[in-house]
Amino acid sequence: DAGITQSPRHKVTETGTPVTLRCHQTENHRYMYWYRQDPGHGLRLIHYSYGVKDTDKGEVSDGYSVSRSKTEDFLLTLESATSSQTSVYFCAISAGQVKNYEQYFGPGTRLTVT
Amino acid sequence: SQELEQSPQSLIVQEGKNLTINCTSSKTLYGLYWYKQKYGEGLIFLMMLQKGGEEKSHEKITAKLDEKKQQSSLHITASQPSHAGIYLCGADRRDDKIIFGKGTRLHILP
Repeated sequence: DAGITQSPRHKVTETGTPVTLRCHQTENHRYMYWYRQDPGHGLRLIHYSYGVKDTDKGEVSDGYSVSRSKTEDFLLTLESATSSQTSVYFCAISAGQVKNYEQYFGPGTRLTVT
Repeated sequence: SQELEQSPQSLIVQEGKNLTINCTSSKTLYGLYWYKQKYGEGLIFLMMLQKGGEEKSHEKITAKLDEKKQQSSLHITASQPSHAGIYLCGADRRDDKIIFGKGTRLHILP
């Protein structure tokens, strides 16, 4: 399972509140990714990181920010959650130190914004 | 428009039957990935194809990459209930990102 954990696994929050999701990996992978999965849209990239303090935007980055202060942790923050951000969020890593190599996914976080 | 189109969107087959899922790209493919997702769970990496004409197999699942047609196919032989789930293809765009298709839902009837 590539040693990827996500926390929390489930969260219900109210509109306008800040939310932080955590992705933790134990195998020192360089590349980490945050995706959201929604019916009718499939899996879409939010942000990714290619090293400590090195991050870049994906295709649906509006309303999200990320931080990576340590190799093992990649945080996704919703500064002010909206109902449109209700989704299942997946973290992923690229195996090895090569970009776009095999990606392995965490178990997901189901977020509901009411 | 979607960069990666998967077909069919949904598939119901009788246990023991063969089936094929297709993934077609509107742009050049530098690499193609196949994943499986069980309902409510994370994605499981199946295989990666990098060269035109490449074919890989894992147990009863075979995937091929037709680089010229910008297409990949996933073939399951003698389907089993354990094959049920959502199959997603992902394309390497060589810009640090992988783009995914919307997935194909596979149901296996006993």
